[in-house]
Amino acid sequence: DGGITQSPKYLFRKEGQNVTLSCEQNLNHDAMYWYRQDPGQGLRLIYYSQIVNDFQKGDIAEGYSVSREKKESFPLTVTSAQKNPTAFYLCASSIWRGLNTGELFFGEGSRLTVL
Amino acid sequence: AQKVTQAQTEISVVEKEDVTLDCVYETRDTTYYLFWYKQPPSGELVFLIRRNSFDEQNEISGRYSWNFQKSTSSFNFTITASQVVDSAVYFCALSEADGGATNKLIFGTGTLLAVQP
Repeated sequence: DGGITQSPKYLFRKEGQNVTLSCEQNLNHDAMYWYRQDPGQGLRLIYYSQIVNDFQKGDIAEGYSVSREKKESFPLTVTSAQKNPTAFYLCASSIWRGLNTGELFFGEGSRLTVL
Repeated sequence: AQKVTQAQTEISVVEKEDVTLDCVYETRDTTYYLFWYKQPPSGELVFLIRRNSFDEQNEISGRYSWNFQKSTSSFNFTITASQVVDSAVYFCALSEADGGATNKLIFGTGTLLAVQP
């Protein structure tokens, strides 16, 4: 089945450690996104990528890094510089339609807890 | 500034009641898109509807209906005869005011709907 796979679903990290969240899609979508979800704050955009080997910062990129070496993969690294990393992270993808904004398809999310 | 406001943080209804989720938006674009997503307990957001700013026709899909009014900058979502399976967090979203250069969305804070049996 086509879709977006995020792993791991749950992750615990000690302070000062970097951690990488995986996101893979087999929808042949050009664009991929990482959102962070905190209680009462909705979804906030961390990074997005419209094509391979290119990505752009979103609204809350500090303390995060990404790569886009393959069309189907967009991993997110939460670095030790992120002050408050405990959150629910959602990866999404979309068809790139230029002037037409298409819907986003989401994975099931990764819940990161910093101990 | 662009913004999406979902003033209702939580709504609790009894099964078979009708319920309306409110969404008010602000944008400087003349062409924009509005969305509704459902987030069940499993976590992934599920797309429900996309509406172009030039299309103000209301839409109905089964028990779901949407009322888009540009005059009040609102895009409300009504569930008729609610069911327990409708329990979820519902997000309203607005396309970024960048002329369509990206597919970036601005999300509201969500409304948690609890449908009691």
